[in-house]
Parts: sequence; C-alpha cells; structure tokens
Amino acid sequence: EVQLLESGGGLVQPGGSLRLSCAASGFIYSNYAMSWVRQAPGKGLEWVSTISGNDGSTYYADAVKGRFTISRDNSKNTLCLQMNSLRAEDTAVYYCAKDGVGGANWFDPWGQGTLVTVSS
Amino acid sequence: DIQMTQSPSSVSASVGDRVTITCRASQGISSWLAWYQQKPGKAPKFLIYAASSLQSGVPSRFSGSGSGTDFTLTISSLQPEDFATYYCQQANSFPFTFGQGTRLEIK
Repeated sequence: EVQLLESGGGLVQPGGSLRLSCAASGFIYSNYAMSWVRQAPGKGLEWVSTISGNDGSTYYADAVKGRFTISRDNSKNTLCLQMNSLRAEDTAVYYCAKDGVGGANWFDPWGQGTLVTVSS
Repeated sequence: DIQMTQSPSSVSASVGDRVTITCRASQGISSWLAWYQQKPGKAPKFLIYAASSLQSGVPSRFSGSGSGTDFTLTISSLQPEDFATYYCQQANSFPFTFGQGTRLEIK
C-alpha cells in the first residue's frame, strides 16, 4: 500500500523558514515525480511544486518561486520542501502527492497534510 | 497559465439524484484532466484521470467525459458518502491548476 506521511508543519513568524518532509513507502520511489499541493483555510487547492523522479528537474508556482525549494532523497524515500521568507499568504495545509497512474501529472495518493501557519 | 473554471460552485441534491459538474479550461488541454473528491478535514481522493478513466476502486456511478476545453463529472445516483467538494485539475502543462471546487450538499 502506498503511504505518504508529511511532517514539519507549525507556527512561524513572517519572514521565517520551515522545512517540510514527506516519508514515502509502498512503491518504487525513484520512479515517480512527487509534488507539493497546498490548501489555505477554507480555500481550494493550489499546486506548489513538482520534482521529477530520475533527473531531479524541479518546477514551481510563481507564488513560491525563489522562496521555496523542493528536493528528494531517493535513497531514503523522502521528499522535502524548504520554505524561506514565509508570508501570511503561505498559511495552508501542505500535502505531498505522488504522480498518478501512467506517470502523468495528476496526484495519487495524497498524504494527510501538515499545517503551516505564518503569523506574528 | 491555464485557468480552470468549475460550475456550479455549489449544488444541493438528494440521495439517488443524478448530478453533473462542469469544468472548463481557458485553453485546450486534450484529455489531460483529473477529478478529485475532498471531504472536510481529509486529503483529496483521486477519482478520474485522462478525463474519462475511472481510478481503480472508485464506484462506477462516477463518470467523466470531455476533451479540449469542456469536461464533465457525473454521479449517476448519489449516495450519502458522495456529499463532498469536487475539484478538476489540468495536467497538461505547468503550472498545474485546479478548478475552484464544487460543493455538493444534501438537499
């Protein structure tokens, strides 16, 4: 069974940093792209970033480009999101997700999410 | 960026009803479309991919159709567990974008 378990969320002041992690199991991790998707309280879903499985190519939403860095460790089956210069509008539940069927850029499954709150 | 617009934003229906949700892309995305279901406090669940392919384990009362810019999600006979929020997502190109969601409520 595929499992994704996020950690690292919490309360951080504006301008601060936070590092999220996602532990993956139940599949050949290096074969799949992995992504972060967030959801602000009471709002819809917003794609944040994707990293490919093999060559490590990375992609970012404009809203986080230059502030967030996605990375992966294929030896440890882990995905990370380093978040710097955090803003109030980054407050959200952050989900990690695996590339879906066919290796296309849909998301399946999703982790349970970790809440990031940016506030003074 | 490709904008995804869902309609309606919310709909009230009864158990047994047939419901259709529409998703429109601001430019053609072929069949690079997925649908998700989300219940309060839970992560989204993957339902349909490639516009019309049902993910394994998803009940057959769910179906998807469309290509290019116009897509639909249909639930043929609503069950109590189907009341949730539904999102479409384009997987054609970065940045991946979602519709704003359709909340399906019990009448």
